[in-house]
Amino acid sequence: QVQLQESGPGLVKSSETLSLTCAVSGASITSRTWAWVRQPPGKPLEWIGSIFYPGTTNYASSLGSRVTISLDTSTNHFSLNLGSVTPADTAVYYCARDLSVSGISRYFDYWGPGKLVTVSS
Amino acid sequence: SYELTQPPSVSVSPGQTATITCSGNKLGEKFAYWYQQKPGQSPVLVIYQDTNRPSGIPERFSGSNSGDTATLTISGTQAMDEADYYCQAWDTNTYVFGPGTKVTVL
Repeated sequence: QVQLQESGPGLVKSSETLSLTCAVSGASITSRTWAWVRQPPGKPLEWIGSIFYPGTTNYASSLGSRVTISLDTSTNHFSLNLGSVTPADTAVYYCARDLSVSGISRYFDYWGPGKLVTVSS
Repeated sequence: SYELTQPPSVSVSPGQTATITCSGNKLGEKFAYWYQQKPGQSPVLVIYQDTNRPSGIPERFSGSNSGDTATLTISGTQAMDEADYYCQAWDTNTYVFGPGTKVTVL
């Protein structure tokens, strides 16, 4: 059974960098694609980006160059850095397994419980 | 950019059928996926590749996708099915989510 768990600060100041880590158990992060998804309070889900070993990334264009996702194979974790945050980045941040099938089917089959990150102004 | 639309809310009586639609340009030419999210919980995949149920998802959940509309159907709706439901598609190397539909079981 694949399990994911987000960790990191729950409060970040405006203009600083939001950093979160996702611990993966039950699977190796070298074997699949992994993703971050966020959900502002009362709003829909928003994909942030995905990463595939050894480091191929794909980011949402709306977040531009503010996003960096990376892998740490020594700990079986992957991480999210979101720079220059504003209160609009306040959200529950989820890590998820990004399942790609034959390149035409992509979806999330396992999710972490989520981490609320508040950006103060 | 690609967009998906969903009705904000659907109400259903216990035991009846709930139908949730998701519309997008030529959505039937892509795969549609559906997630259930209960308050304070992370999303759960209930339908993948238009019509398939993951292991552990009850048979009362079914899906279809044709033309511009994908549909999630909950047959014999139960109180535990009250939740937000999000559709999702993959288009031009980007994940797209619908705005969500709140299903209320009256």
